[in-house]
Amino acid sequence: AQSVTQLGSHVSVSEGALVLLRCNYSSSVPPYLFWYVQYPNQGLQLLLKYTTGATLVKGINGFEAEFKKSETSFHLTKPSAHMSDAAEYFCAVSDNNNAGNMLTFGGGTRLMVKP
Amino acid sequence: EAGVTQFPSHSVIEKGQTVTLRCDPISGHDNLYWYRRVMGKEIKFLLHFVKESKQDESGMPNNRFLAERTGGTYSTLKVQPAELEDSGVYFCASSQMRQPGLWQYFGPGTRLTVT
Repeated sequence: AQSVTQLGSHVSVSEGALVLLRCNYSSSVPPYLFWYVQYPNQGLQLLLKYTTGATLVKGINGFEAEFKKSETSFHLTKPSAHMSDAAEYFCAVSDNNNAGNMLTFGGGTRLMVKP
Repeated sequence: EAGVTQFPSHSVIEKGQTVTLRCDPISGHDNLYWYRRVMGKEIKFLLHFVKESKQDESGMPNNRFLAERTGGTYSTLKVQPAELEDSGVYFCASSQMRQPGLWQYFGPGTRLTVT
């Protein structure tokens, strides 16, 4: 069975500071990894995904994540936080044994950006 | 292109009543998923349709929940009778093909409150 752990349900950074949201997963087979973001009163929006190939993945709004197999991690980063980044972020995993593509989510991390 | 839409956005019902949630996927998307987030918990998979057929309903909590997808277009999720623990946000998602690693497009969710 797959599982996802997001360390820190709430993260607060100052505007302009580095954003680091942590995600660790467990999967018995090579995973597909996703980060979704949910802005207030909106649905989940895909930020970026890793399936195969390059382990450093760039997404929208300046975010990127690096797949580290040895650490079973897929942490999300952004060099400089903007006020508009305040939202809830979800890490999710599926795998190539799962023909249905169902996603297993972490608990979410709410990012707050201070002026 | 219209995104995934869900109706209603909010629903407040009393314990024992019936509620029906609706999801309209992106046109042409054969795969439709239902997920639920109970307050304070992670988003969890409920079930998956491929066109009008239930592909995987392993996440459905019990037989008070009934999902349908008539004609392979929109889907409904009925809760009858509703219990307090059914409160949460119900998300619908869709994707075009059954392909490992393909991401899902999410709707804004329906917030269900059972009192």
